[in-house]
This record gives sequence, C-alpha cells and structure tokens, in this order.
Amino acid sequence: QKEVEQDPGPLSVPEGAIVSLNCTYSNSAFQYFMWYRQYSRKGPELLMYTYSSGNKEDGRFTAQVDKSSKYISLFIRDSQPSDSATYLCAMSASNNDMRFGAGTRLTVKP
Amino acid sequence: GAVVSQHPSWVICKSGTSVKIECRSLDFQATTMFWYRQFPKQSLMLMATSNEGSKATYEQGVEKDKFLINHASLTLSTLTVTSAHPEDSSFYICSASSLLAGTNTGELFFGEGSRLTVL
Repeated sequence: QKEVEQDPGPLSVPEGAIVSLNCTYSNSAFQYFMWYRQYSRKGPELLMYTYSSGNKEDGRFTAQVDKSSKYISLFIRDSQPSDSATYLCAMSASNNDMRFGAGTRLTVKP
Repeated sequence: GAVVSQHPSWVICKSGTSVKIECRSLDFQATTMFWYRQFPKQSLMLMATSNEGSKATYEQGVEKDKFLINHASLTLSTLTVTSAHPEDSSFYICSASSLLAGTNTGELFFGEGSRLTVL
C-alpha cells in the first residue's frame, strides 16, 4: 500500500463548478499537509499548507484535513480555466520526509 | 515569493556522458535542498535530501554513485547524472526549504525542472 493515495483522474469540469480533490494516507505520523499546483512542464507551486487537522481557506481554495480518517481535501470554488493543472497533495511528519500523491489532472472547460 | 532557479531547463545528451543540473535559491538561504524525478503522468519521487556542507541522504533504491549531489553553499546544489543511459531520461526537479515563521517545518519552493533526454 502506498503511503499517500490520490486518484490521478483526469477530472474535467465546466467553468464555475466546485472541484473536490482528495488524498488518503496511511502514516499516522503525518502532521503537515500541503497542496501543490503543477502546470505542464513546470515545477510545483505551493497552494495551501495546513498543520494538523482542520480547515484553511484562501480565496477560492479551501483545504480540509481529517486526521482521524487520514483524509485530506482541497476544494476549488468558482473554478476557472486557469485552474487547469495537476494538483499534488503532499504530507510529512517532519520537513525532511515529504511524500507526494500521484497528482490529479484537472481540466476546467470554458 | 521565494525563487528557486534550475538550470538547464532541458538537455539532450548521448548515452555514457555525464550531465550536471544546478539548483539555486535566488533570494534566500536554503539549508536543505531536495532532488526529485518525475516520470510522465506520475508524481514526484524524492531521490535525495541535500544539506549544505554534508553528504546527501539518498532514498532507498537511488544509486548514490550514479546521481552525485553536491551542496557546496547555502544557495547552490548540483545533481550530476553520471554515465547517463536512456532509462535515466526524466524530469528532474529540485526544491529548497525555507523555514515557515513560527514552525519547525519549511515551505518548499520548487525549481522549474530540468528535462533530461538521453539518446
């Protein structure tokens, strides 16, 4: 079993839709949870960072962490074509052991 | 935000040659840098963790004699793929860690990646 599981998609939604991206994990020691966005042929960029459980909101993006279920989510409201990218979840117990999900490829159609 | 520069962005080489990729943190000092490889439609796979002034820590299955990492300063780490073969063709990405205020963990800033094609 992989430490971090993420559905690779692809996921295609119409513009304006609410997007839900999810990851599950098996290592209960993970306490730092991140979502990265990666455009084609580019390096990932940090979108959201959450420590331990709870919700965090930043503009159209909301990150949720449920440590009891070992489940994290990223919601994108009012999705835009510019949101089309691959979204990677990442998590770590400390800074030096970050593990990434496979990435979900999202396409937002105009 | 912090900037990490990676060079070259793409390189084509003949089998058996060595290729060096540079990763620089442009506006902050990075005590730790990470190297990943990414195959098409797959996630990042951590290859090694590089700390300034010490030997890199390699992940299981990564050949340290094949992938030489040097972290000579707080702003520069290099990855050298020695005697490259076609199976080494991949997208190599570095990241540098900058401590988040009030935490003991760092935000990672990624380079743009280097696409290596070995003929």
